[in-house]
Amino acid sequence: SYVLTQPPSVSVPPGATARITCGGNNIESKSVHWYQQRPGQAPVLVVHDDSDRPSGIPDRFSGANSRNTATLTISKVDAGDEADYYCQVWDGDRIDWVFGGGTKLTVL
Amino acid sequence: EVQLVESGGTLVQPGGSLRLSCTASGLSFSSYWMTWVRQAPGKGLQWVANIKQDGSDENYLDSVKGRFIISRDNAKKSVYLQMNSLRDDDTAVYYCATSTVSMIFFDYWGQGTLVTVSS
Repeated sequence: SYVLTQPPSVSVPPGATARITCGGNNIESKSVHWYQQRPGQAPVLVVHDDSDRPSGIPDRFSGANSRNTATLTISKVDAGDEADYYCQVWDGDRIDWVFGGGTKLTVL
Repeated sequence: EVQLVESGGTLVQPGGSLRLSCTASGLSFSSYWMTWVRQAPGKGLQWVANIKQDGSDENYLDSVKGRFIISRDNAKKSVYLQMNSLRDDDTAVYYCATSTVSMIFFDYWGQGTLVTVSS
């Protein structure tokens, strides 16, 4: 099955830019989607199809996808961005919706 | 406003059965795929099953095939997950989610319902 690899944690100070990676074999051939999950809450879609933002998501959230790594970038980070972030792709070969293991973002 | 509300989660013994429900509001329910995603305690997200708009197509995680059945009732704007032969590793919060833009990602989620499998 297709595997997505994320770093367990990322830490940045307030106001800085956070970059969360998602690795996968030739991931650039797939559309990557990102979810934010605050403690005790349901996931929220923040980026879909590599770099598109749903309505209501601030433009501080952006995405990119190249070769074997997709990246979620969050600029001007604040305490409200502290959450777990998950990448996700659709594996059409196996009819499987695959999630990465998640990255905990800490705002120092 | 789109709302998905899950119910039915509880403590159940290994080998037992349980039926989860999810009722939708604020969207044209019969137009969209519906999905169940689970999250074991302290773990990540895992897709479990989904069902096509008219119920004519279903997909399942390999580890639940033959044990779980997804179904829907468009008149009641509800999707269900019948869970049989439950195992300890089925313990998780089960989220209902939908895909209103594209079936390859999930743009609305419920708050989840906790299923605990333990003797």
